[in-house]
Amino acid sequence: ETGVTQSPTHLIKTRGQQVTLRCSSQSGHNTVSWYQQALGQGPQFIFQYYREEENGRGNFPPRFSGLQFPNYSSELNVNALELDDSALYLCASSFRGRVVDTQYFGPGTRLTVL
Amino acid sequence: GQQVMQIPQYQHVQEGEDFTTYCNSSTTLSNIQWYKQRPGGHPVFLIQLVKSGEVKKQKRLTFQFGEAKKNSSLHITATQTTDVGTYFCGSGGGADGLTFGKGTHLIIQP
Repeated sequence: ETGVTQSPTHLIKTRGQQVTLRCSSQSGHNTVSWYQQALGQGPQFIFQYYREEENGRGNFPPRFSGLQFPNYSSELNVNALELDDSALYLCASSFRGRVVDTQYFGPGTRLTVL
Repeated sequence: GQQVMQIPQYQHVQEGEDFTTYCNSSTTLSNIQWYKQRPGGHPVFLIQLVKSGEVKKQKRLTFQFGEAKKNSSLHITATQTTDVGTYFCGSGGGADGLTFGKGTHLIIQP
């Protein structure tokens, strides 16, 4: 196992609601990336946090936001939920500083929007 | 970002047969990372390739990075039921995150 943990494991929300997902990174890692994986698809990059700031973002609207805390754990917040937000949300931790930072994924949070 | 296409989408094999999945790009890739995702699970890192023409082996798995750094392959020799899952290639990383292919679903018939 990677040591990356996520909570909750499953979540059901209704359209228009807000959700917060949490991630604890692997010991020794300083960077957290969030991905959305729709059923049958590859993970899609949402954003990355390093030194408590967002330093990279994929093609996701501003209602997807996040935080990184001093202990490198992170939150993903999604406002005004839409049906298409139903997906597996994956957190990946890595260590910034190597030539290529290998990302280690947590078990994910399965979000269902009704 | 770096776009990658993965083929085939699905592959059915008899247990004991070999399996290969391919990852292709129209642009030069800085690196390739391969992940395996079991049904209901999350992507698990397998390997990373950085150098042109690089070949790495892990037991029955052989990973290659093309000379032009535009394609990669994962080959499994003599598949076993434990190999079932979806194999993803991804490229990039850093502040732009990884760009993944759609994956190849490996289905093994005993």
